[in-house]
Amino acid sequence: SQQGEEDPQALSIQEGENATMNCSYKTSINNLQWYRQNSGRGLVHLILIRSNEREKHSGRLRVTLDTSKKSSSLLITASRAADTASYFCATAVYSSYKLIFGSGTRLLVRP
Amino acid sequence: GAVVSQHPSRVICKSGTSVKIECRSLDFQATTMFWYRQFPKQSLMLMATSNEGSKATYEQGVEKDKFLINHASLTLSTLTVTSAHPEDSSFYICSALEPRDRGRENGYTFGSGTRLTVV
Repeated sequence: SQQGEEDPQALSIQEGENATMNCSYKTSINNLQWYRQNSGRGLVHLILIRSNEREKHSGRLRVTLDTSKKSSSLLITASRAADTASYFCATAVYSSYKLIFGSGTRLLVRP
Repeated sequence: GAVVSQHPSRVICKSGTSVKIECRSLDFQATTMFWYRQFPKQSLMLMATSNEGSKATYEQGVEKDKFLINHASLTLSTLTVTSAHPEDSSFYICSALEPRDRGRENGYTFGSGTRLTVV
């Protein structure tokens, strides 16, 4: 079962601009993770934020989590053409350990 | 780091035949593994949770008799697509959950996926 929705579904930006993706989910979680997937390939884990954290940084990535609104955002700063991919949030559901993916955002960074 | 090996990476089979996909945790024991399916330009949909030594738990709408899951050892889970049809063509990905005492913040490790094409 798919838990959450992401918006936008697709995002096209110029290289150097920032990209922001949002994710909403439905149930209590242990943590929320963001993954990247290049076309037709495997997943790359980007960052994990625990349910008791509000913000986390990793390089050009910034993730926020608002458990009261059941939402998260991923910000990629100073985007590069190589960032072109699909991005998915995934929530580790509390007590079941299932990892449920959001609908994803397809990001295109134009050179 | 944790490694999960998934085979085959690509398979083409004839309609009506069965296909087995393997997912192995190479450097840790995984009591729990997950199987996902992904159609083109869509998200990963959880199909089932595989627990070592017990029956798999299937998500709503997933046919148990069509997608047979076996988790006979702590390092191997298999997904068998039985009597495959063209609509079963998809990207299948497994994920293994590491024991907490390994200390990694993210305990989920994904295989590289299997692209199944049924002709």
